[in-house]
Amino acid sequence: KQEVTQIPAALSVPEGENLVLNCSFTDSAIYNLQWFRQDPGKGLTSLLLIQSSQREQTSGRLNASLDKSSGRSTLYIAASQPGDSATYLCAVRSGAGSYQLTFGKGTKLSVIP
Amino acid sequence: EAQVTQNPRYLITVTGKKLTVTCSQNMNHEYMSWYRQDPGLGLRQIYYSMNVEVTDKGDVPEGYKVSRKEKRNFPLILESPSPNQTSLYFCASSPRASLYEQYFGPGTRLTVT
Repeated sequence: KQEVTQIPAALSVPEGENLVLNCSFTDSAIYNLQWFRQDPGKGLTSLLLIQSSQREQTSGRLNASLDKSSGRSTLYIAASQPGDSATYLCAVRSGAGSYQLTFGKGTKLSVIP
Repeated sequence: EAQVTQNPRYLITVTGKKLTVTCSQNMNHEYMSWYRQDPGLGLRQIYYSMNVEVTDKGDVPEGYKVSRKEKRNFPLILESPSPNQTSLYFCASSPRASLYEQYFGPGTRLTVT
């Protein structure tokens, strides 16, 4: 059964710093991986989707990489801002025939002004 | 505006009183899914639907029912709610399950006393 782990569980950084969030998964036979952002009491907002054939995706200050063979993904946030404070979740879809999405427990990010 | 809506947003009920949480999307998406989110456990999939009249169990289906009679709607039914179903529930949809990112509703916070 696929398991997704996110380390650290919480992270606090000063404004302006670049930072990396980590996501690892136990079964490397994934179809795609998606990074989400969740604000307190709110739903999830999709940030980036990486297909298994891709190595990375970029959107603005965000860059997500995928190393399927080692079971890892990272989300790089450049020049962090207080508005980036949220919980970041990664989710893995295991296989083209799978309709199930397995989530990590998230990393709670606080960007201090 | 493209969106996934859920109703109600907040609900407090008593053990054993049947309830339905509605989910509707206006994007003509084929795939819809229900998740619950609990502290320390993360997001777990309850049920999903690949299309009208096609549904399947996720990781934690016990105590829940779903139906997909129309493409846009995917209600979650709790026939006899229990306190362990107190949780934050999210509905999600996507054009097709495997290729595209999922769009999430705002969440329904359910308390069963």
